[in-house]
Amino acid sequence: SQKIEQNSEALNIQEGKTATLTCNYTNYSPAYLQWYRQDPGRGPVFLLLIRENEKEKRKERLKVTFDTTLKQSLFHITASQPADSATYLCALYRSSASKIIFGSGTRLSIRP
Amino acid sequence: NAGVTQTPKFRILKIGQSMTLQCAQDMNHNYMYWYRQDPGMGLKLIYYSVGAGITDKGEVPNGYNVSRSTTEDFPLRLELAAPSQTSVYFCASSYSAGSDTQYFGPGTRLTVL
Repeated sequence: SQKIEQNSEALNIQEGKTATLTCNYTNYSPAYLQWYRQDPGRGPVFLLLIRENEKEKRKERLKVTFDTTLKQSLFHITASQPADSATYLCALYRSSASKIIFGSGTRLSIRP
Repeated sequence: NAGVTQTPKFRILKIGQSMTLQCAQDMNHNYMYWYRQDPGMGLKLIYYSVGAGITDKGEVPNGYNVSRSTTEDFPLRLELAAPSQTSVYFCASSYSAGSDTQYFGPGTRLTVL
């Protein structure tokens, strides 16, 4: 079955540095991969989507890469700020399964 | 637009009780989903619907039921609550399938004692 792995350990980054989060998946390559942000006590909020034929996607300080050979997506936040502290979830979608599968998320903490 | 709304925000049930978690969206989305999220875990899909009158099981459907009589509403029914159903429940909606953004509600925190 399809699995997604995100680093379960929290990531602590100094403000201003680039935070890099990893999402690895097994088995079939997804058609789309999405990244969400989740704050404590709230529902996830969509950030970025990258398609299987795209290598990189950017939105303001956010950048996502997608390597179908390595079966990996990297999520970067440049010039990180304490307000970026949250849990970040990756989710993959396979069109043949018509469902999205979420990873367990990585908690990011940006210290001033 | 209110987006996706869920009620109640919190609920405590005794073992064996039943309840319905309400979910509504005002974005005219075709797809709606119910997830549960246990501490430190990812979202697990319980049920989903691709339109009014059409529902299908997700990854963890046992102990739950759903219905979709209108585009806007997608209630989740828990029958005979068990401690294993203690979790945070999220409802989400999207216009189409996985290529589209999912919009999530604020969640319902359920405790079964």
